[in-house]
Amino acid sequence: ETGVTQSPTHLIKTRGQQVTLRCSSQSGHNTVSWYQQALGQGPQFIFQYYREEENGRGNFPPRFSGLQFPNYSSELNVNALELDDSALYLCASSPGQGNQPQHFGDGTRLSIL
Amino acid sequence: QKEVEQNSGPLSVPEGAIASLNCTYSDRVSQSFFWYRQYSGKSPELIMSIYSNGDKEDGRFTAQLNKASQYVSLLIRDSQPSDSATYLCAVNLNAGGTSYGKLTFGQGTILTVHP
Repeated sequence: ETGVTQSPTHLIKTRGQQVTLRCSSQSGHNTVSWYQQALGQGPQFIFQYYREEENGRGNFPPRFSGLQFPNYSSELNVNALELDDSALYLCASSPGQGNQPQHFGDGTRLSIL
Repeated sequence: QKEVEQNSGPLSVPEGAIASLNCTYSDRVSQSFFWYRQYSGKSPELIMSIYSNGDKEDGRFTAQLNKASQYVSLLIRDSQPSDSATYLCAVNLNAGGTSYGKLTFGQGTILTVHP
């Protein structure tokens, strides 16, 4: 148990729709990072939030956006869903923005039909 | 060349043997290195972190780091069937001098420990 919780567990959407995924960070952690993991691959960094500001972004288009709230929980929003967005979306929290270990939640499995 | 590369698998070892998992990375000035274990259908679980050259031991796990060779490894002693999982190497690459915690992962190595 990492104390990082994600919702929902599974989600099925169709192309063109929009989705919001949620993450509650571990107590005492002010940094949340989001990753996308396709089947058989390692996770790919989407972006990181530190104290409610986007603190770094990976190679994902602008239709991937996020928020962090004052309690350090976070949302990942994806607009105009594409078939290739089908993946496991992972949230990780850490006690700071630098080199500290990141602890993952159980993930949200997103399927696009 | 991939930024983080792991030895190709799958790797199969008998119960009680030592499993050796290897990882190389591209950025010479990277500062932090992590090993995660991922069971099928589950999320990655942190098992080791290492920041300095040399060995770091935690129970049956030993992480080894050689920054000059840009190489990090994980040894699992007395392997058990419950160790069967995908092992992910993750590096906080210092690309462009950024210090934020972007982890770059290898593709993972599937380990099977057979009785």
